[in-house]
Amino acid sequence: EIVLTQSPGTLSLSPGERATLSCRASQSVSRSQLVWYQQKPGQAPRLLIYGASTRATGIPDRFSGSGSGTDFTLTISRLEPEDFAVYYCQQYGSSPSQFGQGTKVEIK
Amino acid sequence: QVTLKESGPVLVKPTETLTLTCTVSGSSLSNARMGVSWIRQPPGKALEWLAHIFSNDEKSYSTSLKSGLTISKDTSKSQVVLTMTNVDPVDTATYYCARITRVGLAGYYHYHGMDVWGQGTTVTVSS
Repeated sequence: EIVLTQSPGTLSLSPGERATLSCRASQSVSRSQLVWYQQKPGQAPRLLIYGASTRATGIPDRFSGSGSGTDFTLTISRLEPEDFAVYYCQQYGSSPSQFGQGTKVEIK
Repeated sequence: QVTLKESGPVLVKPTETLTLTCTVSGSSLSNARMGVSWIRQPPGKALEWLAHIFSNDEKSYSTSLKSGLTISKDTSKSQVVLTMTNVDPVDTATYYCARITRVGLAGYYHYHGMDVWGQGTTVTVSS
């Protein structure tokens, strides 16, 4: 079973700053099977990135995904007020699927 | 427009069986690219993937919960049902269903993630 470890647990940044979130897998994951979500309080998660780097429909281009193998990154180039939320990575490379434990991006 | 809606009991007693239903509108469960996943989130905690089912009846379950989970679908009713036996207070959570799409062939799937989510249903396990 693949375990996903996200870091940092919490990221304290100001609007306009760049956010870099990490997702590390315990075994290699195909790029085609790594996904990122955003979740705001009281809401269901929203799909951001699939295939490690493909933005989902309607996702602004300030969100980008990269990585391969066991190391994946979600980057938010310039934080907007609405981007402060919790972000989760998920893998489908090995059954069963798994989420990481999440990274909270909070306002500094 | 595709929508998913979860339904089920608000309160369940420990050791009972929890049955949750996800009703899908705007898309057919026979769509080869489409599946439905169940995910839960205990209060203040992270998302936990539980299970998924695809149109070809392919199923997968969380390793930690596998023995107590069953996922099934009724294509004619556009419903996916998750049952969880012998529930415990630690199973108190918001339960979501979500559409998952994938393309490709078995063993070489490209997963496009869970792009449509239900609003979630809150379940409390307590005596």
